[in-house]
Amino acid sequence: RKEVEQDPGPFNVPEGATVAFNCTYSNSASQSFFWYRQDCRKEPKLLMSVYSSGNEDGRFTAQLNRASQYISLLIRDSKLSDSATYLCVVRVNSGAGSYQLTFGKGTKLSVIP
Amino acid sequence: NAGVTQTPKFQVLKTGQSMTLQCAQDMNHNSMYWYRQDPGMGLRLIYYSASEGTTDKGEVPNGYNVSRLNKREFSLRLESAAPSQTSVYFCASLARGGLAFTDTQYFGPGTRLTVL
Repeated sequence: RKEVEQDPGPFNVPEGATVAFNCTYSNSASQSFFWYRQDCRKEPKLLMSVYSSGNEDGRFTAQLNRASQYISLLIRDSKLSDSATYLCVVRVNSGAGSYQLTFGKGTKLSVIP
Repeated sequence: NAGVTQTPKFQVLKTGQSMTLQCAQDMNHNSMYWYRQDPGMGLRLIYYSASEGTTDKGEVPNGYNVSRLNKREFSLRLESAAPSQTSVYFCASLARGGLAFTDTQYFGPGTRLTVL
């Protein structure tokens, strides 16, 4: 079983739609959780951290369920500029005061006019 | 403040050739990382350096070596390139936030390497 698994995608949605991405992780010792965004042929960039109580940043809402080892990202009122690949990322303490991030393979989102 | 920089941006090698990918960060981060990204595989960790003077293997270290030259620079070397090493290579550094969940990895723009 892969450490971080995401919806296979791709997701093709019209502008204004609401879209949800799901992610599961296998390592129960995982400590922190993130969503990264990666545009075509660019580097990944942090979209938002995922807090235990859930958190919202504008049109984006992230949820975490530690018992089920499940993370989600909801995008409301999709914009053309939201088209990208969304990476689910899990952090585990690797000792020596540093951390390793494990990345899911990503889910590609295309927002269509 | 340039963030994380990588050179070169593109490289074509022949099988058996060697090269070094350079990475530098100007954010005073302690930890630095090298990843490779292949279609359908996602990002995989090659090596990382928790702090200056230390390096550790990641998920896919075979065929690579690294050097943490100083706090700013972390290089990745391919001693004898193979076609299986054709990939996009990303360097990253880690900003430690006040709380664990505020840690953020900043990525460089990537090096696109083709081995013929």
